[in-house]
Amino acid sequence: DQQVKQNSPSLSVQEGRISILNCDYTNSMFDYFLWYKKYPAEGPTFLISISSIKDKNEDGRFTVFLNKSAKHLSLHIVPSQPGDSAVYFCAAPRLGGSQGNLIFGKGTKLSVKP
Amino acid sequence: DVKVTQSSRYLVKRTGEKVFLECVQDMDHENMFWYRQDPGLGLRLIYFSYDVKMKEKGDIPEGYSVSREKKERFSLILESASTNQTSMYLCASSSGDFGYTFGSGTRLTVV
Repeated sequence: DQQVKQNSPSLSVQEGRISILNCDYTNSMFDYFLWYKKYPAEGPTFLISISSIKDKNEDGRFTVFLNKSAKHLSLHIVPSQPGDSAVYFCAAPRLGGSQGNLIFGKGTKLSVKP
Repeated sequence: DVKVTQSSRYLVKRTGEKVFLECVQDMDHENMFWYRQDPGLGLRLIYFSYDVKMKEKGDIPEGYSVSREKKERFSLILESASTNQTSMYLCASSSGDFGYTFGSGTRLTVV
């Protein structure tokens, strides 16, 4: 079974506060994870990634945490800004398939209110 | 600036029509992908190609076919469009790592 699950379809946060987007996965063999951000009427853009040899990766306001024992990762945005309002997708490379083939979650729509 | 270009932003087609969605990338990437995005279902892989004239089925290939005659171009074909194929279609390319570059998408409506 190879699934990436985002169980929260939406999240609303006040500007300046922390946004936490969650992602669970079903296969412990996944060893790399990515987050993509998508605005309406645009294609998704790469945001941040993490390898399973790490438990944290940080890039400016964005930090991804990986908990391998729980098969869970989360994206933290601090501080949240209205321009962060978008749909966020968690993804992992498909196991056993051709290189570069990603499995995506269903996405979480983040709304950051001024 | 590297780009993946999808030929149409919006399309309206009739049920039963044959529909071609075109995608061109200028990054010399080997891998190209077609996904569709639907509310509540996320991004689902339709077909992908890792070389010219090569193609592999993704998770939801039924009702679709693809063509890759040149490295830079990957076409998605709806053989006989149906209303359940109304969706946002996204093309992406990658060089073999996991950094996809997506196009802006084609919003297809089948009436």
